[in-house]
Amino acid sequence: DTEVTQTPKHLVMGMTNKKSLKCEQHMGHRAMYWYKQKAKKPPELMFVYSYEKLSINESVPSRFSPECPNSSLLNLHLHALQPEDSALYLCASSRPGGETQYFGPGTRLLVL
Amino acid sequence: GDSVTQMEGPVTLSEEAFLTINCTYTATGYPSLFWYVQYPGEGLQLLLKATKADDKGSNKGFEATYRKETTSFHLEKGSVQVSDSAVYFCALSEVGSGGGADGLTFGKGTHLIIQP
Repeated sequence: DTEVTQTPKHLVMGMTNKKSLKCEQHMGHRAMYWYKQKAKKPPELMFVYSYEKLSINESVPSRFSPECPNSSLLNLHLHALQPEDSALYLCASSRPGGETQYFGPGTRLLVL
Repeated sequence: GDSVTQMEGPVTLSEEAFLTINCTYTATGYPSLFWYVQYPGEGLQLLLKATKADDKGSNKGFEATYRKETTSFHLEKGSVQVSDSAVYFCALSEVGSGGGADGLTFGKGTHLIIQP
């Protein structure tokens, strides 16, 4: 099984809202990732968690706050977002060390 | 730093035509190479991969060979179908500093359109 699940599939939020994106995998992977993808562009790396510890933060604004509560779950907490943050947010997982990354279906976020 | 270059398209072909999407890369070490496919409104699906020189990845009639001497990983398919219409991303990964996980480096993506 190579499934990564993400909820919700779609999310509309105002600039003052607080919301969270969730990602789950049961492949025993110990590396998990958040990517942001704008239309007609490749995914851009936001965060990497390795063994439940944040190992890479690609200078993402603090209105995005990641959390890895255990080895299967990854959250992305959103607060005071801007309309330009509207995008497809993709979660991925892998074994650590340059291994194949498996992606979820994504959450399509619209910030009004 | 690492980079991936691929033809951007759109590439428009007729059904049953031969497909080649070129991909070249630059990397400091010995990367693993991937092709991902993204259908409209969906996430990325792994299409195939190769982890060392001269490896050939294959899946669903698609093939790509890891060519270290030309730093290339071109995607080919002998006879495309309408259902192959999608965006195709070439990507590489290397072990991060300290031996840990690191993000994928993607090409810009190639939009493939297959006409009946």
